[in-house]
Amino acid sequence: AQSVTQLDSQVPVFEEAPVELRCNYSSSVSVYLFWYVQYPNQGLQLLLKYLSGSTLVKGINGFEAEFNKSQTSFHLRKPSVHISDTAEYFCAVSEIIQGAQKLVFGQGTRLTINP
Amino acid sequence: DGGITQSPKYLFRKEGQNVTLSCEQNLNHDAMYWYRQDPGQGLRLIYYSQIVNDFQKGDIAEGYSVSREKKESFPLTVTSAQKNPTAFYLCASTTPGGGTYGYTFGSGTRLTVV
Repeated sequence: AQSVTQLDSQVPVFEEAPVELRCNYSSSVSVYLFWYVQYPNQGLQLLLKYLSGSTLVKGINGFEAEFNKSQTSFHLRKPSVHISDTAEYFCAVSEIIQGAQKLVFGQGTRLTINP
Repeated sequence: DGGITQSPKYLFRKEGQNVTLSCEQNLNHDAMYWYRQDPGQGLRLIYYSQIVNDFQKGDIAEGYSVSREKKESFPLTVTSAQKNPTAFYLCASTTPGGGTYGYTFGSGTRLTVV
């Protein structure tokens, strides 16, 4: 079974500073990778996904992620954060088991933006 | 607009009671999922269903039950056998696509045992 490790449980940054949220996955085969954002007491919203092709993936709200196969990483970045980016971020990898798609999630990274 | 509706948003349960969480989708998705979220533990899969009248246990199914009588609906019952039911519960759905689509999530139900 695949696993996902988010290396930081909490990341505090100042407003307008750059941020990187780190994610490593375990699979050595072709993977589909996702980043989701969760605002307090809400469901998860898709930020971006990597399926194939260009290793740099752009998503909503100015976020982007880079797929690195050799390092089995899929780090999320934003060059300048805003207070509204305060949320929890989840990295996930898709696996197919007996024909069923399942997303395996990391533990999440809580991003806190300080003014 | 299509989406997933979870109800209620907040639910309080007395110890020893069963409660049912509702999940309805109008996305015409075949697959539906229930996850439990606890602080610092990410999302853990409870049950999932690929088609009507069929469902499989996830990683933490003990103390939970589900049904899938209609494509649009996938209710979750938290039984009295669940030792620590206080958590945030998320329902999700997806369409077959070899794993490329990802999930659409509902807004969640926060269950508290009082």
